[in-house]
Amino acid sequence: AQTVTQSQPEMSVQEAETVTLSCTYDTSESNYYLFWYKQPPSRQMILVIRQEAYKQQNATENRFSVNFQKAAKSFSLKISDSQLGDTAMYFCAFSVGSNYKLTFGKGTLLTVNP
Amino acid sequence: ETGVTQSPTHLIKTRGQQVTLRCSSQSGHNTVSWYQQALGQGPQFIFQYYREEENGRGNFPPRFSGLQFPNYSSELNVNALELDDSALYLCASSLAIQGTGELFFGEGSRLTVL
Repeated sequence: AQTVTQSQPEMSVQEAETVTLSCTYDTSESNYYLFWYKQPPSRQMILVIRQEAYKQQNATENRFSVNFQKAAKSFSLKISDSQLGDTAMYFCAFSVGSNYKLTFGKGTLLTVNP
Repeated sequence: ETGVTQSPTHLIKTRGQQVTLRCSSQSGHNTVSWYQQALGQGPQFIFQYYREEENGRGNFPPRFSGLQFPNYSSELNVNALELDDSALYLCASSLAIQGTGELFFGEGSRLTVL
């Protein structure tokens, strides 16, 4: 069975600073995807960034980047130049191949302070 | 906005009753998944429908059932409600052929069972 662990229930950061959210996962599969989803209060969950396991290069999306360490089964999210709108629950998630079943972690509540 | 809408947004039921939750997928998306998100937890996969057929199920009992219709709408039905069924129910659609694994979520239906 696949598991996803987010060890930081809550984090806070000052506006314009950088913050890193941690995620580890466990799987015996070789072909999988990793995701970070953002769930703002009372808003829809949206995809922040995606990483294919076969790609060694870390994914980046504007201010968001990941540090994917396949051997360590680690997938952290770095948010640069944090903005107030980044305040949300962040979920790390995992799926195997083309199977769209996502396995989520428990989430990290990120608060960006002015 | 993800283009996925859910109804109702909130509802209250009593133990033993039945509930139907509805979802309208993003146009053209042939795959819909349902997730249960208990308070303070990450979403848990209930089941997935592809072209109107169930295409994978999580660890949920048979009293959780679903339907997917040709017009990109779908339903989640829960019979014999229990107190532990209180949660946010999320619908997510995707285009299977796209192969990216990205899901597009609705805002959810918050169910309270008394």
